Amino acid sequence: ELKVEQNPLFLSMQEGKNYTIYCNYSTTSDRLYWYRQDPGKSLESLFVLLSNGAVKQEGRLMASLDTKARLSTLHITAAVHDLSATYFCAVVHSGTYKYIFGTGTRLKVLA
Amino acid sequence: AAGVIQSPRHLIKEKRETATLKCYPIPRHDTVYWYQQGPGQDPQFLISFYEKMQSDKGSIPDRFSAQQFSDYHSELNMSSLELGDSALYFCASRETGTGGGTEAFFGQGTRLTVV
Repeated sequence: ELKVEQNPLFLSMQEGKNYTIYCNYSTTSDRLYWYRQDPGKSLESLFVLLSNGAVKQEGRLMASLDTKARLSTLHITAAVHDLSATYFCAVVHSGTYKYIFGTGTRLKVLA
Repeated sequence: AAGVIQSPRHLIKEKRETATLKCYPIPRHDTVYWYQQGPGQDPQFLISFYEKMQSDKGSIPDRFSAQQFSDYHSELNMSSLELGDSALYFCASRETGTGGGTEAFFGQGTRLTVV
């Protein structure tokens, strides 16, 4: 059974600081997504990572994928308050293509 | 660009009532997924359909049923509602394509509150 774990679950950080969120998954998958979710809202797609070594950057966020280690990271650079949200990684089950979500990381950026 | 449309956006029901949630996928998308997200939880996979046939089943209670119709829209029927069914319900659609590797797109969700 495919399991996806994120850490930390909660993250409170000061504006201007850097931090990394980790996403580990238990079985082989070559497709991983990162989403942002604001309270009560839908899932906003941030990054699609399709191959080992993939790195994508958008603004203050950068995501990477290591399929051999079954690990993805979401790095936050010089955090700003607007980044406060919950971030989910999701791994695609290779047989059924359903998305298995990580536990989520609730990020709060303090001014 | 067209997105996944879910209706209603909000729904309030009493315990033991029934509810029907609808999902209209992006045109040409042949696969639909349903997810349930409880407060402070990650989205949990309920059920999926490909070409109007159930393709996978997750942690969906027996009180729930779903189907995909000839126009590819899908409905999630929920009976004997319980307080614990209060959640955000997401639908996602995908065009399977060759190799099945295209991205799924999520709708805005239906917030169901059971009182």
